[in-house]
Amino acid sequence: DTAVSQTPKYLVTQMGNDKSIKCEQNLGHDTMYWYKQDSKKFLKIMFSYNNKELIINETVPNRFSPKSPDKAHLNLHINSLELGDSAVYFCASSHSGRRNQPQHFGDGTRLSIL
Amino acid sequence: EDQVTQSPEALRLQEGESSSLNCSYTVSGLRGLFWYRQDPGKGPEFLFTLYSAGEEKEKERLKATLTKKESFLHITAPKPEDSATYLCAVQVTSGTYKYIFGTGTRLKVLA
Repeated sequence: DTAVSQTPKYLVTQMGNDKSIKCEQNLGHDTMYWYKQDSKKFLKIMFSYNNKELIINETVPNRFSPKSPDKAHLNLHINSLELGDSAVYFCASSHSGRRNQPQHFGDGTRLSIL
Repeated sequence: EDQVTQSPEALRLQEGESSSLNCSYTVSGLRGLFWYRQDPGKGPEFLFTLYSAGEEKEKERLKATLTKKESFLHITAPKPEDSATYLCAVQVTSGTYKYIFGTGTRLKVLA
């Protein structure tokens, strides 16, 4: 009965490859997010979708492309992986219309580029 | 520019030694301030939401307070199991209501 689940948990791959990370939430939330957490634990927003519509798109290379097939799913595809992409990627979800609603996070996908 | 700063970066306490973590923010408009706990290998886990200056929330050994410029997370008589990274996040009122995170405080409680 996991609330926000991400797959895979670990991803080790070569530079230049293309990979995808999947996220699903069963909380009935209408907004989902992708964050990148660096080695210093700083969580930086990458994308946010509200009801399948992209609402936040921070300064992220075009190699990163999110896709939301429905409100419960948000996937992240990364093309031509680079060494600097190594990080932990977190998916989160929340209710947008209610004030003071916290985000709920998955346990992260640890991406290592060789 | 909206900004959230946490201090100290790291904190070591003896079991039972109370202390406070600080979260200072400069934002165009505050929709809510959130405290999270993050354990190694896990995602952030929600602890508290604060909105109004003067508001306080408590949970076991933790108490969060809010002023117009900062929030404190007070830890009373901590135990080793309180060791974790504590993250503060602010949701802004402008535009897309995005959340801005601080860099966290790594807390280690020694037995």
